[in-house]
Amino acid sequence: DAGVTQSPTHLIKTRGQQVTLRCSPKSGHDTVSWYQQALGQGPQFIFQYYEEEERQRGNFPDRFSGHQYPNYSSELNVNALLLGDSALYLCASSLAGPSNYGYTFGSGTRLTVV
Amino acid sequence: RKEVEQDPGPFNVPEGATVAFNCTYSNSASQSFFWYRQDCRKEPKLLMSVYSSGNEDGRFTAQLNRASQYISLLIRDSKLSDSATYLCVVIDSWGKFQFGAGTQVVVTP
Repeated sequence: DAGVTQSPTHLIKTRGQQVTLRCSPKSGHDTVSWYQQALGQGPQFIFQYYEEEERQRGNFPDRFSGHQYPNYSSELNVNALLLGDSALYLCASSLAGPSNYGYTFGSGTRLTVV
Repeated sequence: RKEVEQDPGPFNVPEGATVAFNCTYSNSASQSFFWYRQDCRKEPKLLMSVYSSGNEDGRFTAQLNRASQYISLLIRDSKLSDSATYLCVVIDSWGKFQFGAGTQVVVTP
């Protein structure tokens, strides 16, 4: 039973570039949430996707956008990269509902912006 | 004020000792509470849920105090492998996970 898989694992980009990160949820999960974790900080909620729509959003600028596909996989896109976007980007999948059991994280994509 | 606050530590704990730390939250309508463990440069992993009546899982005990809006985690008989950052997670009334910045625990021989 595959857990949450994220790709790539590491990425180096230049300021101003655009990046796409990918996430495949755990089998049976239909909801994907994205988080940004800067060094020494807790994960910060970016947004959540369910039924191919953005359901909730945290305090991130419009440069951060996403998508969810019919197979529940998801992408996080960041445009006009800034040095401050360097962080570990975590994807978590879950099954929609009130219980929140099964909320599982992928191992993350470490993005470095130079 | 941050929605979820934790003492960053580090808490330096001799092997075999007990350590406890809290997490405070600001939204009184928060629904659910969890403790996650995160090892260096790894993803967070669920340690345990926190129930109103308090709950125990082996050497770990979690408590919730709704009146004072904090949760706690106690680790008994600390092992070297308990060294990690412990993240407090609060699910708000919108179902959104709010993470604390984490409490670092270092267990020393």
